[in-house]
Amino acid sequence: GDSVTQMEGPVTLSEEAFLTINCTYTATGYPSLFWYVQYPGEGLQLLLKATKADDKGSNKGFEATYRKETTSFHLEKGSVQVSDSAVYFCALVNYGGSQGNLIFGKGTKLSVKP
Amino acid sequence: DAGVIQSPRHEVTEMGQEVTLRCKPISGHDYLFWYRQTMMRGLELLIYFNNNVPIDDSGMPEDRFSAKMPNASFSTLKIQPSEPRDSAVYFCASSLGAGNSPLHFGNGTRLTVT
Repeated sequence: GDSVTQMEGPVTLSEEAFLTINCTYTATGYPSLFWYVQYPGEGLQLLLKATKADDKGSNKGFEATYRKETTSFHLEKGSVQVSDSAVYFCALVNYGGSQGNLIFGKGTKLSVKP
Repeated sequence: DAGVIQSPRHEVTEMGQEVTLRCKPISGHDYLFWYRQTMMRGLELLIYFNNNVPIDDSGMPEDRFSAKMPNASFSTLKIQPSEPRDSAVYFCASSLGAGNSPLHFGNGTRLTVT
């Protein structure tokens, strides 16, 4: 079945460092891909998305490009801030599967130190 | 918009007791989802509704769990009887449409069963 694999955390960075969180997926057809972020004590919220191959999603300085050839959707940010400390979830939804059913990765915890 | 509202934020109960978690989705959203989050298993989809009708409850762990959506603005997740292994954070989420539509999560209910 469809699945999402994220790099294991936690990831600890210093402020202004470059961030990459790897995400790869397995899916039939043409899934849409998402990154969600969960700040402490809150629910998940959508960070960015891409709906077709070579699309780049971006928001709040974060970017991810839908790479069909490598089945990847890696999250990047050029200069992280302490306020970016959170858990990041990669996810996909596949129209070939259950309608409205997002499949989430296990999450990667990011800690940014001042 | 107030977002997805869940109550209570925290619930502590004894094993064997009935627990009811409540959710008010965003007005106008036609999909509602219940998730459970634990350190061991990550984020798990329990059940989701479309236009108040349960579509997929294959994630509901046991008959002790039940969910209802009597109208478009209210849903409950009930556990009866509760067990210590049910301790987790339970999230409700809603969306307008399926597929690419982002999920809007509530802040969750942290359930502790002693």
